[in-house]
Amino acid sequence: SQTIHQWPATLVQPVGSPLSLECTVEGTSNPNLYWYRQAAGRGLQLLFYSVGIGQISSEVPQNLSASRPQDRQFILSSKKLLLSDSGFYLCAWQKLRGGVTEAFFGQGTRLTVV
Amino acid sequence: AQKVTQAQTEISVVEKEDVTLDCVYETRDTTYYLFWYKQPPSGELVFLIRRNSFDEQNEISGRYSWNFQKSTSSFNFTITASQVVDSAVYFCALSEDQETSGSRLTFGEGTQLTVNP
Repeated sequence: SQTIHQWPATLVQPVGSPLSLECTVEGTSNPNLYWYRQAAGRGLQLLFYSVGIGQISSEVPQNLSASRPQDRQFILSSKKLLLSDSGFYLCAWQKLRGGVTEAFFGQGTRLTVV
Repeated sequence: AQKVTQAQTEISVVEKEDVTLDCVYETRDTTYYLFWYKQPPSGELVFLIRRNSFDEQNEISGRYSWNFQKSTSSFNFTITASQVVDSAVYFCALSEDQETSGSRLTFGEGTQLTVNP
């Protein structure tokens, strides 16, 4: 079965420090991968998506970047965190072909920038 | 552009009451998919249901039921005989044709449901 792992679960970082959140997928190949952020309100905003290794599309201009060094690995990064980067970050994947039953989400990372 | 509206920000009910969560969507695609997710306090998104735009048949799963109406662009979610464990934030989401590259979910703002004992 397909699973998605995301870590760390919680993170407190000072302003100006770097960030690296990792997401890995098991049980599938060549998935579409996504990073979402849920800020103080409840809505989820798509930050990045990737349809393959090294292919990253950014949805909104921001202080963050994403990379996909391997087929089932998706990394969210920042060189210098801002207070506004605080939020709940969710990694997700969807099947590229053959229909989709649902989008699978990781457990999320709660980031607090202080 | 796609848009999902969940007009109800918060709903509070007493246990055993029925409750309906509204979802209205906008899309120009003829093929699209609608989802409902539950987000308990732990934060993880739990998949509840997915419907495609060609299947308007309503669905029932235990105490959950969904009413999909293309004529009004709505995909409402009803919980019958609500329980305290149903307390969570519920998200409605829309996705374009998922056979194309880069398809993604557009979420509504969510509805906080509180079921009081």
